[in-house]
Amino acid sequence: DIQMTQSPSSRSASVGDRVTITCRASQNIASYLNWYQQTPGKAPKLMIYGASSLHSGAPSRFAGSGSGTDFSLTITSLQPEDFALYFCQQSYSTPWTFGQGTKVE
Amino acid sequence: QVHLVQSGAEVKKPGASVRISCKAFGYTFTVYTIHWLRQAPGQGLEWVGWINAGNGDTKYLQKFQGRMTITRDTSANTAYMDLSSLRSEDTGIYFCAITFATAGNFDYWGQGALVGVSS
Repeated sequence: DIQMTQSPSSRSASVGDRVTITCRASQNIASYLNWYQQTPGKAPKLMIYGASSLHSGAPSRFAGSGSGTDFSLTITSLQPEDFALYFCQQSYSTPWTFGQGTKVE
Repeated sequence: QVHLVQSGAEVKKPGASVRISCKAFGYTFTVYTIHWLRQAPGQGLEWVGWINAGNGDTKYLQKFQGRMTITRDTSANTAYMDLSSLRSEDTGIYFCAITFATAGNFDYWGQGALVGVSS
């Protein structure tokens, strides 16, 4: 199985900050990398797919980059509704696997 | 508008079985794959299985083979996940989600169903 490792596990930030989260895959996954946002008590929401494509409804302040094994999610200007848990997930091969999450607080 | 509505919370004793449903709205049910995922307390997410809502084909994470059954009722636009021989480590929130285009992308999610396993 492909292991996904996120860093940091938590990130303190303020409204207006630029925040970057990283994700590393245990093997080459090309651009098959997705990012999800989860707020407390809610289901995850797909924000970025294919490493850098913005999902329908996701705000344009979210941006993804990377390929191969190293990826990042950047929130260019953090908004109050962006304080949440973020997961990366590889869609390269089954079983699809997730990172352990990064809490932006 | 795509919407997935899951059944409510369940509390079960070890060794029992549980069924969770996932009713779909806002799209043609049989066209897309429905996935099930689990989030254990304080843990990350784990994909556990899928069903092709059109032909009924299924695939499970290996550790659930023999204990999990995913089915669907196309007349009710509903998918079901049955998990048997429950143990405490099965406690968690179970989500259904659908893939619209790219295999492995979980485009829309249900609200989740909490399953607690305790004696």
